[in-house]
Amino acid sequence: DIQMTQSPSSLSASVGDRVTITCRASQSISSYLNWYQQKPGKAPKLLIYAASSLQSGVPSRFSGSGSGTDFTLTISSLQPEDFATYYCQQSWEFTFGPGTKVDIK
Amino acid sequence: QVQLQESGPGLVKPSQTLSLTCTVSGGSISSGSYYWSWIRQPAGKGLEWIGRIYTSGSTNYNPSLKSRVTISVDTSKNQFSLKLSSVTAADTAVYYCARSDMVRGIRHYYYYMDVWGKGTTVTVSS
Repeated sequence: DIQMTQSPSSLSASVGDRVTITCRASQSISSYLNWYQQKPGKAPKLLIYAASSLQSGVPSRFSGSGSGTDFTLTISSLQPEDFATYYCQQSWEFTFGPGTKVDIK
Repeated sequence: QVQLQESGPGLVKPSQTLSLTCTVSGGSISSGSYYWSWIRQPAGKGLEWIGRIYTSGSTNYNPSLKSRVTISVDTSKNQFSLKLSSVTAADTAVYYCARSDMVRGIRHYYYYMDVWGKGTTVTVSS
């Protein structure tokens, strides 16, 4: 089984900050990595697929990078609507990471 | 625009079978090359992929749940369904259905869940 980890588990940031979230797979998954955003009481929303492809309609301040075992989600300038929990998911066996909660500093 | 809606009992007794249906609107469940997935989330916890089905009936399941899960599709009703048997309190969660789209990679397809239902809460309790 492929295990996914994320770091940090939570972070506090201010509007306008550059935020980076890391996701690591227990074995190489090439670029089979998606990122989702989830707000309280809502369904997850797809942000990035295939490690670096931006889903249609998602703001360009979101970007993804990485391949193999190490991946990054970057928010270039945090906006008020970006405070949420972010999950990575490997699309080989579909396991999700444990999530990273981004809240207001 | 495709929309998904989960439905089913909100309360299930231990040892019984949890049954949920996802109704697809705004498009045919048979059109395009999509898988249709179930995901769950216990309160305050992370997401767990349960399984998926293609409209041909081909399925893939989470190995940790495989012995208890059945996902089926009814194209005439534009629905797909989840059955989870022998439930316990650990199966209490919000259950989501989702559409899985794909893009072709060099050797395999990249799958991702791009349309989600709003989720339905299922509590397992006597």
